Amino acid sequence: DSGVTQTPKHLITATGQRVTLRCSPRSGDLSVYWYQQSLDQGLQFLIQYYNGEERAKGNILERFSAQQFPDLHSELNLSSLELGDSALYFCASWGGDTDTQYFGPGTRLTVL
Amino acid sequence: GQNIDQPTEMTATEGAIVQINCTYQTSGFNGLFWYQQHAGEAPTFLSYNVLDGLEEKGRFSSFLSRSKGYSYLLLKELQMKDSASYLCAVRDGGATNKLIFGTGTLLAVQP
Repeated sequence: DSGVTQTPKHLITATGQRVTLRCSPRSGDLSVYWYQQSLDQGLQFLIQYYNGEERAKGNILERFSAQQFPDLHSELNLSSLELGDSALYFCASWGGDTDTQYFGPGTRLTVL
Repeated sequence: GQNIDQPTEMTATEGAIVQINCTYQTSGFNGLFWYQQHAGEAPTFLSYNVLDGLEEKGRFSSFLSRSKGYSYLLLKELQMKDSASYLCAVRDGGATNKLIFGTGTLLAVQP
């Protein structure tokens, strides 16, 4: 158990819909990273937040947005969903004490 | 640009040794990570190299040559449970600690 939590574990929805994925970092970690992993693809960095502020942006679509709240949990919002958005979405936090990135269990999104 | 290359698949025999290579060309570099990922599960941390040389941790060792843009992960005394994807990731330069991942190497351990 990495200490990073994500909900829900599975999400099935239809094209055109909007969903919200939630992540809580390890206790004491201030950074949250979001990654997308499509079938047979590597982990693609989407966006990073540090202590409530956006720190870095990757290949995140305009239909996707994220935020980090004062209690440090983060939400990734995916809208106008397409079939190609079906993927595993991982959240990670950076352990400043260990200089390592820890991953949550992921949310499997299926768009039908 | 950012480019991280690993072999797509490898096969090895239980009890043997296998070496998984990773080459990288990135605009920034602040260390290299190896993660293990079983299908449908989260990546789990294996090793981190920031200086050249070999880091040994039980059955797993990782090597880094920054001048050659090259790393490898060495797995000894292979077990069936080592069948998984192994992900090489470069830690970006700067303060973000962003990781840039290769596509991973799927290792199949056979009896």
